[in-house]
Amino acid sequence: GESVGLHLPTLSVQEGDNSIINCAYSNSASDYFIWYKQESGKGPQFIIDIRSNMDKRQGQRVTVLLNKTVKHLSLQIAATQPGDSAVYFCAEILNRDDKIIFGKGTRLHILP
Amino acid sequence: GAVVSQHPSWVICKSGTSVKIECRSLDFQATTMFWYRQFPKQSLMLMATSNEGSKATYEQGVEKDKFLINHASLTLSTLTVTSAHPEDSSFYICSARDGSRGRNSPLHFGNGTRLTVT
Repeated sequence: GESVGLHLPTLSVQEGDNSIINCAYSNSASDYFIWYKQESGKGPQFIIDIRSNMDKRQGQRVTVLLNKTVKHLSLQIAATQPGDSAVYFCAEILNRDDKIIFGKGTRLHILP
Repeated sequence: GAVVSQHPSWVICKSGTSVKIECRSLDFQATTMFWYRQFPKQSLMLMATSNEGSKATYEQGVEKDKFLINHASLTLSTLTVTSAHPEDSSFYICSARDGSRGRNSPLHFGNGTRLTVT
């Protein structure tokens, strides 16, 4: 595989605070990016996406920022709730093919 | 919304046997489906790309004779783990893209299959 993570990093955030999850992607030719949320024992769930011709996109309580200069993607979650506890993955599509390649993932832990 | 159904959700089998996992797109047609494997506390690793009506494309290091993929219709892809061994134990996840939406659209994922080989 092209991306295998080792020992997911954990981000602990107080309930109600904002969370920022970061991701460094690998290929400067990627032109489409997605954030997924994965709960234990389930498949990834789509959160938000962004195309390479944009640098910011907002959804409900979530914002994705894209910095192509440094190949960096971030997911901001406003007013985190217990239900936000999960592993979050960024993913990129390489423009030469249709494959979606996943980043390493970050576990978000919400403190009561 | 787009739904991908994966079956079974878990399976236990003995070494040397084969296991088939099904992935169905329920409310859209998927010309392309993807199979991922995930080890505990790790990211998803792409195994292969399944194309309707043609041979699957395997990622480097993935044995095509061990992981047989068939994509016989626009709504069904299957992954068969042949002659399974304990090291094949893992979480296998399929995904599909709505063919009407083009390549820059998100994949929809099944809920995965937990395979345990004893």
